[in-house]
Amino acid sequence: GDSVTQMEGPVTLSEEAFLTINCTYTATGYPSLFWYVQYPGEGLQLLLKATKADDKGSNKGFEATYRKETTSFHLEKGSVQVSDSAVYFCALRSGNQFYFGTGTSLTVIP
Amino acid sequence: NAGVTQTPKFQVLKTGQSMTLQCAQDMNHNSMYWYRQDPGMGLRLIYYSASEGTTDKGEVPNGYNVSRLNKREFSLRLESAAPSQTSVYFCASRGGITYEQYFGPGTRLTVT
Repeated sequence: GDSVTQMEGPVTLSEEAFLTINCTYTATGYPSLFWYVQYPGEGLQLLLKATKADDKGSNKGFEATYRKETTSFHLEKGSVQVSDSAVYFCALRSGNQFYFGTGTSLTVIP
Repeated sequence: NAGVTQTPKFQVLKTGQSMTLQCAQDMNHNSMYWYRQDPGMGLRLIYYSASEGTTDKGEVPNGYNVSRLNKREFSLRLESAAPSQTSVYFCASRGGITYEQYFGPGTRLTVT
């Protein structure tokens, strides 16, 4: 079945460090791919998305490229800030259903 | 424009009690979803409703029932709560061609 595997956390970085959170997927067909962010005590918010191969989603300095050949959608940011501390979820949409990874907790220290 | 709202925010139940979690959206979305979030397991789909009048089981439907009351509202019912249902429950909705989901703030449920 369809599934998403993402990098285990937690991840702790210093402010201005480079961030990569790995995400790979298994799916039949051509799913849409998403990154969601969850701040403490809140619901998930869409961070970025890509709907077809080679698309690059970007938002708030975060980027991810839909790589069909490696079935990956890794999240990157060049310089993280303390305010980026949150849990990040990779997800795919297949038909009417969404499949989420287990989440990666990021803490950025000043 | 409130987006997706959920009530209650917190609830404590005893084993065997029943309750209904309420969800409403004001974005005129067709699809609505119920998830549970447990540590280390991400979000797991309980039930979803692709459109008004239809519901389908997700990955973990046992012990739950749902009602799509109208286009705006999608409720989740626990008929006889069990400690294994202690979790944070999220409702989400999805519009047409944009494909992403919009989430409510969640309900934290504890079953003792």
